[in-house]
Amino acid sequence: GAVVSQHPSWVICKSGTSVKIECRSLDFQATTMFWYRQFPKQSLMLMATSNEGSKATYEQGVEKDKFLINHASLTLSTLTVTSAHPEDSSFYICSADSGLSYEQYFGPGTRLTVT
Amino acid sequence: GENVEQHPSTLSVQEGDSAVIKCTYSDSASNYFPWYKQELGKRPQLIIDIRSNVGEKKDQRIAVTLNKTAKHFSLHITETQPEDSAVYFCAASPGNQFYFGTGTSLTVIP
Repeated sequence: GAVVSQHPSWVICKSGTSVKIECRSLDFQATTMFWYRQFPKQSLMLMATSNEGSKATYEQGVEKDKFLINHASLTLSTLTVTSAHPEDSSFYICSADSGLSYEQYFGPGTRLTVT
Repeated sequence: GENVEQHPSTLSVQEGDSAVIKCTYSDSASNYFPWYKQELGKRPQLIIDIRSNVGEKKDQRIAVTLNKTAKHFSLHITETQPEDSAVYFCAASPGNQFYFGTGTSLTVIP
């Protein structure tokens, strides 16, 4: 139980284009989903907290107009990287909170490469 | 916001020895402290966690201790095995957000 998937697992895009990453909770309803980015050999940095049906809450220093988050249902949140640049290349990981425990369930991550 | 520091950044131990990783946090509202193991390119895997109303928790070879007064918590791995080699992250949670430490790359030498 408590499985979270992400799609795609990897994506290569050209500079200036936008990329959408999906995060799904497969066997539970996620009251809250979280988006992290992780640069090589670095830690997971929380980007934003996404609650179903409401606007995401972004961490300080994260550009909300660049990283658009939509949490349209209790099982799906999307992160759109708009006008991507090479410095946006990173490993993006989502997690989901069932609201029933303290634990978060992590997706497998999406490797984004911007050329 | 919460600031989590983690030490050491790298750790090498001989197989069978113990490994200790330490973290400190800044936000006294943090009440949940999970530890994750992450292999390259994979999702973090929860290995043990502790809540603020408990000072110590043990699960086979893995234990975590928490000192709320000093705002630090530690991961202890005993009888290390080569398959324990990975990057380990601590996290602190004030509310439902997780703030991660900088990671420790553990190498267990056979």
